[in-house]
Amino acid sequence: VQLVESGGGVVRPGGSLRLSCEASGFTFEDNGISWVRQAPGKGLEWVSVINWDGGSTRYADSVKGRFTVSRDNAKNSVYLQMNSLRAEDTALYYCAREDNGVHDFWGQGTLVTVSS
Amino acid sequence: IVMTQSPASLSVSPGERVTLSCTASRSVSRNLAWYQQKPGQAPRLLIYGASTRATFVPDRFSGSGSGTDFTLTISSLQSEDFAVYYCQQYNNWPPYSFGQGTKVEIK
Repeated sequence: VQLVESGGGVVRPGGSLRLSCEASGFTFEDNGISWVRQAPGKGLEWVSVINWDGGSTRYADSVKGRFTVSRDNAKNSVYLQMNSLRAEDTALYYCAREDNGVHDFWGQGTLVTVSS
Repeated sequence: IVMTQSPASLSVSPGERVTLSCTASRSVSRNLAWYQQKPGQAPRLLIYGASTRATFVPDRFSGSGSGTDFTLTISSLQSEDFAVYYCQQYNNWPPYSFGQGTKVEIK
């Protein structure tokens, strides 16, 4: 099982960024995928989850209305569209395979820095 | 649901037994997972269902508890076990909530 995130970078407050998570080594459409973030020197914060077919999505209150998660099973990929970014969104963003709420495999993360 | 871990950090000598605690603000049944995170690495699943070890996790790691009170025990700490440990509930979501972590350091 491998999950590889990409798309991080430096963005100004109010800006947008789209993260990608490409999966391999398992039957992608069998699992949900979560995004979990970690601010520098801080703990883990769950951000969003999408179910196996994209028909169900959930968000943390801190990102609701600003972030959108989607997936393309033909490309074994999940995306996180992040709009109206704030300084407090600065973090390492991980995607993780989700199995009935358990996050059993994680990528190495992609860093998002929101700064003017 | 708020997950509270204690202690925030502890210093331990190799070979010692370590007990980490995680308390939920209300019952999460046995829907509780533990993760290990080493510096510069992604989290790794250790325990799910409060007490089931994930694949390839050594049997020195064990989990117990139900309802609101949970424990992760490392029976004999090895050098590779120095890390931060997080609990996470998946009984009532969203959100999936993590504890703030317990850092296990070398004494």
